[in-house]
Amino acid sequence: GESVGLHLPTLSVQEGDNSIINCAYSNSASDYFIWYKQESGKGPQFIIDIRSNMDKRQGQRVTVLLNKTVKHLSLQIAATQPGDSAVYFCAESGNNNDMRFGAGTRLTVKP
Amino acid sequence: KAGVTQTPRYLIKTRGQQVTLSCSPISGHRSVSWYQQTPGQGLQFLFEYFSETQRNKGNFPGRFSGRQFSNSRSEMNVSTLELGDSALYLCASSFRGGTEAFFGQGTRLTVV
Repeated sequence: GESVGLHLPTLSVQEGDNSIINCAYSNSASDYFIWYKQESGKGPQFIIDIRSNMDKRQGQRVTVLLNKTVKHLSLQIAATQPGDSAVYFCAESGNNNDMRFGAGTRLTVKP
Repeated sequence: KAGVTQTPRYLIKTRGQQVTLSCSPISGHRSVSWYQQTPGQGLQFLFEYFSETQRNKGNFPGRFSGRQFSNSRSEMNVSTLELGDSALYLCASSFRGGTEAFFGQGTRLTVV
């Protein structure tokens, strides 16, 4: 069935390095993709989004890349900091306005 | 601007009881969505309300219901609680749905 999934459940990086979190999706009708960050004990926090008519969008220290050909989404975090340690979810949304989330990737930043 | 507020933060209920959770969206947001988060199933969509109407529904049994008031505040109700209903219930608000959504901190429900 249609799903949103993540390639890796955990990612460990050194402080100051760049992080790349990947996500695969299978619903080609999805037209809106979002990345969320969830810290322990908190609700997901919006990071960045991208529409299907774009292939790249940049924010503060973050970049989202969308490859519709292979149905792949990635989140790049530049100069990763300890405060970036969290679980990162990708989500996709289509005409129904519901968001379907991937399983999440736990990012750990080592000092 | 105040964020999404969910009450209560924590709840403990026994099997068979019912529970009502509340969500106050960001001012001006008319879409409220509810999600269930568990370690095994991740984040799963329950339903979405827009202007007091349920617009979308996920794949959950009829024991899970909700409503939205004219001020956009929303409640969800779970009847005949089961142990498997133990989860973090999250509410997200957005201006019109399908766009940038902001989550509350969630209500942690434990069914014993």
